[in-house]
Amino acid sequence: AQSVTQPDARVTVSEGASLQLRCKYSYFGTPYLFWYVQYPRQGLQLLLKYYPGDPVVQGVNGFEAEFSKSNSSFHLRKASVHWSDWAVYFCAVLSNYNVLYFGSGTKLTVEP
Amino acid sequence: GGIITQTPKFLIGQEGQKLTLKCQQNFNHDTMYWYRQDSGKGLRLIYYSITENDLQKGDLSEGYDASREKKSSFSLTVTSAQKNEMAVFLCASSPTGGRGQDTQYFGPGTRLLVL
Repeated sequence: AQSVTQPDARVTVSEGASLQLRCKYSYFGTPYLFWYVQYPRQGLQLLLKYYPGDPVVQGVNGFEAEFSKSNSSFHLRKASVHWSDWAVYFCAVLSNYNVLYFGSGTKLTVEP
Repeated sequence: GGIITQTPKFLIGQEGQKLTLKCQQNFNHDTMYWYRQDSGKGLRLIYYSITENDLQKGDLSEGYDASREKKSSFSLTVTSAQKNEMAVFLCASSPTGGRGQDTQYFGPGTRLLVL
């Protein structure tokens, strides 16, 4: 069965610092992976998605993620965090039936 | 572009009450989804529908009914609201074109509180 684990429920970084949000997946075969962001009182918005190919995927607003088959990971990174990045981030894996399985989310707080 | 509209934005119900949430999309997407979001638990799939009049159960379908009478709309019914229940229900839609055509677009959510 497929699943996603986001081990960090909360992450706090200073504005301008670099960021990594962790995601571990479980999937038999080659996964399709997604990162979504949820700003306060809004729905989810797609940040980036991985389809088999280049392991480093570029997304919107300077985000990128790297797929690792050996580590079963799909960590999200950003070189310099902005206060507007304050949000909840969800990692997800696509099942064989085109259904997304989400992790529990990581709440990012940005300190001035 | 398109938009997903969810009504109502806030829903306050009584224990045992039947409550209906509505979702409309103008993307002309084939597939629509209902998720429940609880604090600290991420999103869990309740129902999805790959075309009008189709319904597929997700992992959390018990206690819910769904209806897809038109391509553009997807309704969810809480059959018997549970006391002190508090959650956000998110509707989403996606095109259907096999893997690689499956980005889901989300509505703003309906916030449910049961007294």
